[in-house]
Amino acid sequence: GAGVSQSPRYKVAKRGQDVALRCDPISGHVSLFWYQQALGQGPEFLTYFQNEAQLDKSGLPSDRFFAERPEGSVSTLKIQRTQQEDSAVYLCASSLVSGGPLSTDTQYFGPGTRLTVL
Amino acid sequence: TQLLEQSPQFLSIQEGENLTVYCNSSSVFSSLQWYRQEPGEGPVLLVTVVTGGEVKKLKRLTFQFGDARKDSSLHITAAQPGDTGLYLCAGGDNDMRFGAGTRLTVKP
Repeated sequence: GAGVSQSPRYKVAKRGQDVALRCDPISGHVSLFWYQQALGQGPEFLTYFQNEAQLDKSGLPSDRFFAERPEGSVSTLKIQRTQQEDSAVYLCASSLVSGGPLSTDTQYFGPGTRLTVL
Repeated sequence: TQLLEQSPQFLSIQEGENLTVYCNSSSVFSSLQWYRQEPGEGPVLLVTVVTGGEVKKLKRLTFQFGDARKDSSLHITAAQPGDTGLYLCAGGDNDMRFGAGTRLTVKP
């Protein structure tokens, strides 16, 4: 497709369940970012990939959060043993070059996955 | 940790009015970006400013970066209902930080 796609768009999980959120970046984009956006807040940086390498995971809130991008394209954000405080919209973004989170290169965001943990 | 404060948090105006929203920090930014986010969508980049005092215009939107690169403003002239959305600023030194945003509603 022409833009960044994310699936599922909505996910409801019971507390303690594991979830996997998928991101399909724009074809050919080197950089991929994950953000968490709580209700009424701006996005918060979680992690950054340059191709298949995870260069920055400083924003991951706990060791229950894990992200991978094994072939340098599709990425999966996995949350183990979900807690209510994990409820948020998870946004994925990609950019053409490898400048990292502070690069002025345009980041193209997907529509997000809204996770609700009951 | 840099903190980006955006004001006002909410703004509701009539079509045709002018408005300004602000993004402030106590820290200096190497660059600052403005995004607009609509419900159910991801943020869309509007502009990047990098030079202190820089002014950029995008149709009816005027973006200004403060001389000291600690603050920025977004001015919209003759607002239209299509301008409705969440306006986010983002910047940082080690990683990108977003403000909480200004939620703008333009009533027809």
